[in-house]
Amino acid sequence: DTAVSQTPKYLVTQMGNDKSIKCEQNLGHDTMYWYKQDSKKFLKIMFSYNNKELIINETVPNRFSPKSPDKAHLNLHINSLELGDSAVYFCASSQDRGGGYTFGSGTRLTVV
Amino acid sequence: TQLLEQSPQFLSIQEGENLTVYCNSSSVFSSLQWYRQEPGEGPVLLVTVVTGGEVKKLKRLTFQFGDARKDSSLHITAAQPGDTGLYLCAGETGANNLFFGTGTRLTVIP
Repeated sequence: DTAVSQTPKYLVTQMGNDKSIKCEQNLGHDTMYWYKQDSKKFLKIMFSYNNKELIINETVPNRFSPKSPDKAHLNLHINSLELGDSAVYFCASSQDRGGGYTFGSGTRLTVV
Repeated sequence: TQLLEQSPQFLSIQEGENLTVYCNSSSVFSSLQWYRQEPGEGPVLLVTVVTGGEVKKLKRLTFQFGDARKDSSLHITAAQPGDTGLYLCAGETGANNLFFGTGTRLTVIP
């Protein structure tokens, strides 16, 4: 039973399109995240969200928006995709500070 | 954004050798976590250290948190091919703020 699952695994799309990546966690965690991993494998936080607060990394373009229908889901919607958005996007969740994060297996987004 | 520098960036060693990976920052962290990531997968938590000077052992892996809670090291004894992967340190500065290091790609040659 997968703890953090995200779909799709691969996503190839054209510039200018709008796309969404879905994420679900069955761990009962309170906080969910989206990270972007670039070609050099550097992981950068994009958003963290719990049922009280959305924290946005100020460097994230406003074309990216998280949407959380409930505590177990945090989807990532991207408008007007650009070539530079190509990367692997990871969803993660956590419960307590210092308790460690559980990551999904990633979505490789390729914008052509 | 907190910067955590890992060294070395790449490491290729023979099976049975020992190695140490370093994670350094100028920032103080409330906890320091180590993850391992394999191709096509997300990072998987190995350990969390929270107290300055803390040492944790996980079989052949030894993790240490610096006294000032700004740095950490990962030591692997008698490396095995199964240890191959991308090792990431990550520092937590507060609630829901986890910043990752630059990564160390380890290859253990049989």
